[in-house]
Amino acid sequence: DVKVTQSSRYLVKRTGEKVFLECVQDMDHENMFWYRQDPGLGLRLIYFSYDVKMKEKGDIPEGYSVSREKKERFSLILESASTNQTSMYLCASSLQGGQPQHFGDGTRLSIL
Amino acid sequence: AQSVTQPDIHITVSEGASLELRCNYSYGATPYLFWYVQSPGQGLQLLLKYFSGDTLVQGIKGFEAEFKRSQSSFNLRKPSVHWSDAAEYFCAVGAAGTASKLTFGTGTRLQVTL
Repeated sequence: DVKVTQSSRYLVKRTGEKVFLECVQDMDHENMFWYRQDPGLGLRLIYFSYDVKMKEKGDIPEGYSVSREKKERFSLILESASTNQTSMYLCASSLQGGQPQHFGDGTRLSIL
Repeated sequence: AQSVTQPDIHITVSEGASLELRCNYSYGATPYLFWYVQSPGQGLQLLLKYFSGDTLVQGIKGFEAEFKRSQSSFNLRKPSVHWSDAAEYFCAVGAAGTASKLTFGTGTRLQVTL
């Protein structure tokens, strides 16, 4: 069965820290995505990647960067965490060609 | 740019009653359409998808959705709701391009009363 694993379910960090969120998929999917989810706003795309070492900005990339050194792993980096980045972060992966995305369980990140 | 509207933020139904969740989309070509469900503290699970062909699609857990091009809608239905269906439901629209990006609606929270 499809499996997308996010390294932490809950994470608490301080403002100014550099924060890494990790995501691993075991389905050999080409595409990987990072979203943040906030009440009343739905899911908003931060960054996505369609191949190793390839990345593109989503709708809200400011304050974030990503890394994809291997096909199965996609990392989200908060360069200098701020309180407005407190949110639920969801990772997803998919095959090419409009196929459905498969989601991890999410990381609830609190920045104090 | 593509967009999705879910006009109902919160819906309450009685167990055993029928359910319809509304979804309207904006997209220039034939869209790929999806419904996902999210239980509290969990990620999103795919309920069903529409790519082409029959406009009435069947999904998991007894859900179905109907694509109506003339109304730009993709409403989700279930004939008889179970208490375990209480969750948040998201409609999404995408394209067949390489990156398979999706645009999500803001979600509808379903409450089921016993």
